[in-house]
Amino acid sequence: QVQLQESGPGLVKPSQTLSLTCTVSGGSISSGSYYWSWIRQPAGKGLEWIGRIYTSGSTNYKSSLKSRVTISVDTSKNQFSLKLNSVTAADTAVYYCARESIAGRGWFDPWGQGNLVTVSS
Amino acid sequence: DIQMTQSPSSLSASVGDRVTITCRASQSISSYLNWYQQKPGKAPKLLIYAASNLQSGVPSRFSGSGSGTDFTLTISSLQPEDFATYYCHQSYSTPVFGQGTKLEIK
Repeated sequence: QVQLQESGPGLVKPSQTLSLTCTVSGGSISSGSYYWSWIRQPAGKGLEWIGRIYTSGSTNYKSSLKSRVTISVDTSKNQFSLKLNSVTAADTAVYYCARESIAGRGWFDPWGQGNLVTVSS
Repeated sequence: DIQMTQSPSSLSASVGDRVTITCRASQSISSYLNWYQQKPGKAPKLLIYAASNLQSGVPSRFSGSGSGTDFTLTISSLQPEDFATYYCHQSYSTPVFGQGTKLEIK
């Protein structure tokens, strides 16, 4: 059974770069059937898709975040990562990684447990 | 981006009630609509994919229907563990979630 686990700092200073890693266990990130996505959720608010990566390294990003986001993959470690630069308080959220099925223009399953990131000086 | 509008935003119901949550897309998304349940402090959990397909392990009291722009999630007989927030998600194009429906105990 595939499991995802986010890791990274819980506190980031304004204007700096938020960096998170998602480790995939129980399956290979190199499977051609899935994208690997990042999604965030500010406290008390809804879900916002940030972007995705395919095992080849091909990426797609939400248009409003595109200038600040980089998602990368390390197949040797079975991990993918998120970098969000020039952060502000508005980027404070729980960040989730999730597997996204390609077939049927997929759905997100499973999800990691989430990593709360607070942007504050 | 395609906009997703859920209604209602919140809902009070009792154990045993039949509940329906609606999700409307700003343009046709065929059947590329998924539903998730989220409990406080937990990650969302996939319930229904491709509008009407029950995810493995999800109780049969959950069902989904619709196509095009209008979709529904129905819980046939509410159980105590069903009180949570529910989100729809369109996967026709750039992923977008509905704003959520909080289901509370009456």
